[in-house]
Amino acid sequence: DGGITQSPKYLFRKEGQNVTLSCEQNLNHDAMYWYRQDPGQGLRLIYYSQIVNDFQKGDIAEGYSVSREKKESFPLTVTSAQKNPTAFYLCASSIPTVGGLNQPQHFGDGTRLSIL
Amino acid sequence: QKEVEQNSGPLSVPEGAIASLNCTYSDRGSQSFFWYRQYSGKSPELIMFIYSNGDKEDGRFTAQLNKASQYVSLLIRDSQPSDSATYLCAVKRGGDNDMRFGAGTRLTVKP
Repeated sequence: DGGITQSPKYLFRKEGQNVTLSCEQNLNHDAMYWYRQDPGQGLRLIYYSQIVNDFQKGDIAEGYSVSREKKESFPLTVTSAQKNPTAFYLCASSIPTVGGLNQPQHFGDGTRLSIL
Repeated sequence: QKEVEQNSGPLSVPEGAIASLNCTYSDRGSQSFFWYRQYSGKSPELIMFIYSNGDKEDGRFTAQLNKASQYVSLLIRDSQPSDSATYLCAVKRGGDNDMRFGAGTRLTVKP
């Protein structure tokens, strides 16, 4: 079955540590996204990538880094510079705009990151 | 002013009733509108999307869009307890790749 796989489901970070969240998709989607969701809030965009080897910062990119070396993979690193990393992290993907119309994004199951 | 605003709720309706969820947006350049359902502790799942003014129906769900009023709504007919979730409204500008989300409306359907 096609889908988006995020791992791990739960992750704990020690102070000063960098951690990497995995996102893999087999939907053949060109665009991939990372969002952060805090309790009672909507999703906020961290980074997105429209094509391999290219990515752009979203609204809250500080303290995060990404890479897009393969179409299927878009890992997110939460660096020690991110002082408040506890949140639910969601990866999404979509096909390109069709006929000028934006296509919906589809989400993985998410990773919950907490501070130890 | 938030870019996408939703009443946080909770909105409570009895089983079998119509649930009406509302969303307003500030960017007049918005062209694509999406509704997602998010169960507690889970990721959002797409319910519907709409591009043109008017109504779009899919089963028990109807999305309504009024671009002049910058308003999009979701109606759920014959509400079921399994519809109890948070409903997220999301909006995209034409050509942009980032989606703007509202904070969501929590819906409870009581048996």
